[in-house]
Amino acid sequence: DVKVTQSSRYLVKRTGEKVFLECVQDMDHENMFWYRQDPGLGLRLIYFSYDVKMKEKGDIPEGYSVSREKKERFSLILESASTNQTSMYLCASSFPGGEDIQYFGAGTRLSVL
Amino acid sequence: SQQGEEDPQALSIQEGENATMNCSYKTSINNLQWYRQNSGRGLVHLILIRSNEREKHSGRLRVTLDTSKKSSSLLITASRAADTASYFCATDNYGGSQGNLIFGKGTKLSVKP
Repeated sequence: DVKVTQSSRYLVKRTGEKVFLECVQDMDHENMFWYRQDPGLGLRLIYFSYDVKMKEKGDIPEGYSVSREKKERFSLILESASTNQTSMYLCASSFPGGEDIQYFGAGTRLSVL
Repeated sequence: SQQGEEDPQALSIQEGENATMNCSYKTSINNLQWYRQNSGRGLVHLILIRSNEREKHSGRLRVTLDTSKKSSSLLITASRAADTASYFCATDNYGGSQGNLIFGKGTKLSVKP
């Protein structure tokens, strides 16, 4: 079974802190994605990556950056956390060129105080 | 950008009843997927239907696709309390970034025992 692991289930940070959300997948997938999920807004794509060291902006990249130094790991970085970044963050991975089925981690619920 | 829109936003039924959720989308697709999300968890892929298919079954799940109306429905038969979750449709980004999916905002299903 595909396993996508997010480093934290719950995280509480203070405004202005630098926050790292880590995601690791064990299926050698080229594609990885970061979403945020808010009530009434559904899933919104923040960043995605098709390969190591590659990254593409999604629909809402402002205030975020990403890092993909190894194929299995995709990190989301909040350079200076703000209260409006309080949300559920979901990481996913997929194998390219097929049916684009995405496999999700359990999510990280981030609260910025 | 959100392409799939689920209807209804929320659905409450009794155990044993059937649950039907609908999804509409705007542009051409290669395939359409349905995902399930238990409260506070990540999404799990349920079923995929290709654009040249009209109906697909998987256990108690039945998915239909009408590309002329740009709509799909997910039917869960003989529902159980364990089916309580949010259900999302997702379409591939036809002609756009490979591997990306566009998720709807979801239908929240509550199955009462």
